[in-house]
Formats: sequence, C-alpha cells, structure tokens
Amino acid sequence: KQEVTQIPAALSVPEGENLVLNCSFTDSAIYNLQWFRQDPGKGLTSLLLIQSSQREQTSGRLNASLDKSSGRSTLYIAASQPGDSATYLCAVPNSGNTPLVFGKGTRLSVIA
Amino acid sequence: GAGVSQSPSNKVTEKGKDVELRCDPISGHTALYWYRQSLGQGLEFLIYFQGNSAPDKSGLPSDRFSAERTGGSVSTLTIQRTQQEDSAVYLCASSSGHGRLEKLFFGSGTQLSVL
Repeated sequence: KQEVTQIPAALSVPEGENLVLNCSFTDSAIYNLQWFRQDPGKGLTSLLLIQSSQREQTSGRLNASLDKSSGRSTLYIAASQPGDSATYLCAVPNSGNTPLVFGKGTRLSVIA
Repeated sequence: GAGVSQSPSNKVTEKGKDVELRCDPISGHTALYWYRQSLGQGLEFLIYFQGNSAPDKSGLPSDRFSAERTGGSVSTLTIQRTQQEDSAVYLCASSSGHGRLEKLFFGSGTQLSVL
C-alpha cells in the first residue's frame, strides 16, 4: 500500500527566502506525482504534475523534482512571498492504480 | 462549468440524521472522486467514478456511506445515520480522463459538522 510522507509538517520563513519542501513515497512504481496547494477553507489547486519519465517540472517560481528510484520529490519555491503562505500537499497514484494518495502536507508561512 | 462546484458549502446536522452532499464536476470530465479531510489529517480517499465503469468504492469507511453519479455528471454522496466522527470537509475532484495521468481539479468542499 502506498504511503506518502511530507517533511517538515510546518515551516515559517521570512519573505524573499528560497525554500524546499520534501515528499517521500514508499512504492516507486508510480505514473506521476502531483503537488497541490490548499488555502485555509478552500479546496486544492494543482501546481505541478511530473510524469514518471520526467525529472522535474517548472512553473514560475516553483520547481518540482522527482527521483522515482529513491521515492522522493522536492518542491522548490524561489524568492518566497507572503502570498505563498498555504499548505502544500504532494500526491501519487496508489500502487498501479488510481486514486491519488496524499501526504498530510507542509503548512508554509512566509512572513513579510 | 468553470470549475468543480460543491453544495452546500457548510452543513450542520444532528447525530443520526442522513445528509446528502452534491458535486458538479467540470463539464466533460469523465473521472470524479470523493475525498474526506479531517482536522489535522491528510486527504482520505472515499470513492472514484470513471465513465460508465463500476465505481471504486474501496475507500468508503462503512455501509452508512454511499455515492452515485447520474448521467455521468453530477454526483451525490450520502451519509446515513451520521455520527460525530463523520465531521470533516468532504472534497470532490474531477479530471478529464484517467486520474493517474492527469491533473485533478478540486471543488471548495463541504464542511460537515455532526452535533
């Protein structure tokens, strides 16, 4: 059974810092990995989707990497802004099948 | 529609009552998911619909929970004889095809409180 772990559970940084969020998964036979953002009281917004054949994806100040063999992904946020404050979740398909299994998320606070 | 729509946004009910939660997926999306998010917990998968295939009900926590999807579009999640531990945010998501290959689009959720 796929299990997803995210470290740290919470992170507070000053505005402008670069930061890295970590995600690990137990079953490396995945089709893809997605990173989501969740604002308080809201649903999830998909940020980046990395296919299993890819090593990284970039969108603006966000860069996600994937190392399938080690069961790890990182989300790099450059030049953080207070508007980046949210909970970030990673998710992978369950072993060989849908649906997505989610980590518990990292709660990020960017202080102005 | 422009996005995944869920209703109601908030629902307060008494223990033992039945509740129905509604999800309108993005038009044309064939895959629909229900997840549950409890305070301080991750998202827990409940049920998955893909086109006309039999739904994957493997995540439903008990036989008090059921869901249907009419006409391949709107879905209703029903919880019978609600218990306090059912209190959570219920999230619906849809995707245009096979979810394992494509992005999921989530609704804003229904906050269920069972008193």
